[in-house]
Amino acid sequence: GENVEQHPSTLSVQEGDSAVIKCTYSDSASNYFPWYKQELGKGPQLIIDIRSNVGEKKDQRIAVTLNKTAKHFSLHITETQPEDSAVYFCAAEYQRGYNKLIFGAGTRLAVHP
Amino acid sequence: GAVVSQHPSRVICKSGTSVKIECRSLDFQATTMFWYRQFPKQSLMLMATSNEGSKATYEQGVEKDKFLINHASLTLSTLTVTSAHPEDSSFYICSATPGRNEQFFGPGTRLTVL
Repeated sequence: GENVEQHPSTLSVQEGDSAVIKCTYSDSASNYFPWYKQELGKGPQLIIDIRSNVGEKKDQRIAVTLNKTAKHFSLHITETQPEDSAVYFCAAEYQRGYNKLIFGAGTRLAVHP
Repeated sequence: GAVVSQHPSRVICKSGTSVKIECRSLDFQATTMFWYRQFPKQSLMLMATSNEGSKATYEQGVEKDKFLINHASLTLSTLTVTSAHPEDSSFYICSATPGRNEQFFGPGTRLTVL
């Protein structure tokens, strides 16, 4: 069945360092890959997404790369700040039937001042 | 833009009662809305997908008679947890899509069943 694997499960960095989270998906028909940031007790917030016709997308300190051949995509956060601390989820859109999102298990990012 | 609200944000109820959670898209019409459940320190698990005016599609293992979904308009979907039990205690989150791929999530509803 459809599956998205996400690594690492926890990530601790110093303020100003970069953070990288990686995901692998199983459905070769997937063509939409969003990333969400979830703070404690809140709903997920869409921070960036990428479609399969693009290999890389950047928005200020956040970038996402996609390798369709290898079926993996990554989130890159540069110049991390304490307010970046949260749980980050990757997802892949599952195409069959209706377009639902399959989520990774999440990465808890801690940025230390 | 793309704001989704949920009400209530928190609810505590007694075992055996029913609870209704509302999900509204405030600044766009949602062709499809999704309901998720999230247990502590876990990922989001899709419960069901609903389209306006039609029956919801439930994921495998989700009891349709226990989790009633009504998508009455393009801006409102409701989830009713019937005969709630302590094991139903969880964080319930809805999302809505304006028709493209993007899903925008509500703030979630914390349900505690005593």
